[in-house]
Amino acid sequence: EVKLVESGGGLVQPGRSLKLSCAASGFSFNDYWMGWVRQAPGKGLEWIGEINQDSSTINYTPSLKDKFTISRDNAQNTLYLQMSKLGSEDTAIYYCARADWYFDFWGPGTMVTVSS
Amino acid sequence: DIVMTQGALPNPVPSGESASITCQSSKSLLYSDGKTYLNWYLQRPGQSPQLLIYWMSTRASGVSDRFSGSGSGTDFTLKISRVEAEDVGVYYCQQFLEFPFTFGSGTKLEIK
Repeated sequence: EVKLVESGGGLVQPGRSLKLSCAASGFSFNDYWMGWVRQAPGKGLEWIGEINQDSSTINYTPSLKDKFTISRDNAQNTLYLQMSKLGSEDTAIYYCARADWYFDFWGPGTMVTVSS
Repeated sequence: DIVMTQGALPNPVPSGESASITCQSSKSLLYSDGKTYLNWYLQRPGQSPQLLIYWMSTRASGVSDRFSGSGSGTDFTLKISRVEAEDVGVYYCQQFLEFPFTFGSGTKLEIK
């Protein structure tokens, strides 16, 4: 069974950094692109970015390219999202998802709240 | 960036009736391989999104045949036949042709 579980969310002060993790199981992690999507409270889905199998290609939505960094550890079957200079606009549920030409499996999400 | 624009539904939709959700892209999603890179997802209340349709018209594994996708290169429709209570939620289209892989703003389905 494919399983994705995000962790690392919580309350963080404006201007600080936070690193999210996504633990994958039930499939061959190093065979797939992986991605991050976020959803602000009461809003729609926003694609953050994706990373390919060997981390040689990483794409971001332009507005987040200088703040967020996606990485992965294939030995640990884990995807990461490093977020810096956080502001209130980054308050959202953050989902990781397995990527093919679509997102076919999603984690339950982890909530990040940016507030003083 | 490719802009995805979704239409609204005349909610609530009577149970057992059909519902059609529209999505328009600012650029053709038809690729040279003959596939159209348009996906549909359903996000039920309090849940993560789930994949319904990919490549415009291919149902994902385990998805009811009440869901069908169609369209051209820029105009797409998700049809839900005989709507049921479990279909309630927000439906999103997404293009997977070019980075960033943008989503539509979502279409809410309510059932009467």
